[in-house]
Amino acid sequence: DIQMTQSPPSLSASLGDTVTITCQASQDINKFIAWYQQKPGKASRLLIRYTSILESGTPSRFSGSGSGRDYSFSISNVESEDIASYYCLQYINLPRTFGGGTKLELK
Amino acid sequence: EVHLVETGGGLVQPGRSLKLSCVVSGFTFDNYWMSWTRQAPGKGLEWVASITKSGNSPYYEDSVKGRFTISRDNGQNTLYLQMNSLRSEDTATYYCTREEGLYGYNYFDYWGQGVMVTVSS
Repeated sequence: DIQMTQSPPSLSASLGDTVTITCQASQDINKFIAWYQQKPGKASRLLIRYTSILESGTPSRFSGSGSGRDYSFSISNVESEDIASYYCLQYINLPRTFGGGTKLELK
Repeated sequence: EVHLVETGGGLVQPGRSLKLSCVVSGFTFDNYWMSWTRQAPGKGLEWVASITKSGNSPYYEDSVKGRFTISRDNGQNTLYLQMNSLRSEDTATYYCTREEGLYGYNYFDYWGQGVMVTVSS
């Protein structure tokens, strides 16, 4: 199974900050990584697929990059509605595996 | 608009069974693979099982193989998860998820709000 090591587990930011989350895969995942937003009581939302392709409706302040084993996800100009948990997912292999998650909080 | 609504969760004793259902709307159900993903309290996400468009080929995470069965009724736009021999470590919120992708590289593009399953005596 491919292990996804996501960091940091938590992040504290002020409104307007830029934050970055990373995921490192235990092997090359050839850019097959997606990023999700999770808020309590709401359905999880797909934000980015294939490393950097924004889903319809995803604000342009979200971005993704990376290759090989190393990937990152950034939010520029953090807004209050971005307070949530974020997860990466590798989907090159079964079983598909998630990173451990990052909880974004307001400073 | 795509909707996935899970039902069937609850409190169940270890060793017993429970069946989850997910009714979908807003898309052509039999055009998509479907999955179940779960999240234990305070923990991360874990893929549980997937099923092909026709329902002929299921795939399972190792810890649920032989205990869980994923199935679908394309006429009723419904996905199921039959869970047998439940263990305390199966306690989680279970999410119904739609799969999207190309050439077998599928990610989860839509999620339900989830249903809680608690396994405890």
